[in-house]
Amino acid sequence: QVQLQESGPGLVKPSQTLSLTCTVSGGSIDSGSYYWTWIRQPAGKGLEWIGRMYTSGITNYNPSLKSRVTISRDTSNNRFSLKLSSVTATDTAVYYCARDNYGTLDYWGQGTLVTVSS
Amino acid sequence: QSALTQPASVSGSPGQSITISCTGTSSDIGGYNYVSWFQQHPGKAPKLLISAVSNRPSGVSSRFSGSKSGNTASLTISGLQAEDEADYYCFSYTSANTLYVFGTGTRVTVL
Repeated sequence: QVQLQESGPGLVKPSQTLSLTCTVSGGSIDSGSYYWTWIRQPAGKGLEWIGRMYTSGITNYNPSLKSRVTISRDTSNNRFSLKLSSVTATDTAVYYCARDNYGTLDYWGQGTLVTVSS
Repeated sequence: QSALTQPASVSGSPGQSITISCTGTSSDIGGYNYVSWFQQHPGKAPKLLISAVSNRPSGVSSRFSGSKSGNTASLTISGLQAEDEADYYCFSYTSANTLYVFGTGTRVTVL
């Protein structure tokens, strides 16, 4: 059973960089035909796809965030990370990591709330 | 790429069947069979209900079914139960530059 767990600061100041990590257990992030994905959800609003990283390390990003987003990985610890730079209050959201399995998101983390505020 | 269009709310009585629509374009729903549906209870992560238009993962109740016609996908919940009260989101691959797009979400209320 694959499990994902997000971690990182719950509070980030405006203009700074949001950094989150997703630790994966029950499966390896550098094997298989999977993409490892970040999604976010502002309070009371819908879901937004942020981007993903393939097992080979190739990345794809939502164009609306592409200039500020970086997804990277640490295969030795079986985890992948999200960095979002120059954050504003509009980046306040619950951030989820998930596994993309042939076009569907079959496993999700529990989510972590990140608030952007001074 | 705009979000896929879902009704804001759908309601039904216990035991009834309801259908949630998800309307896109030929660049997403109409062009590919990569349509998924998720259920989200308050304060919880989304849960996969349907993948590839109509495939139900192991462990998901057979009361949930998915289909597609043209640019519109649908999720049907039969034998509505109190525990089905939640938000539901569709999700599709798109040939637009966003790669993937979610629906606007539908709140299901069990009367």
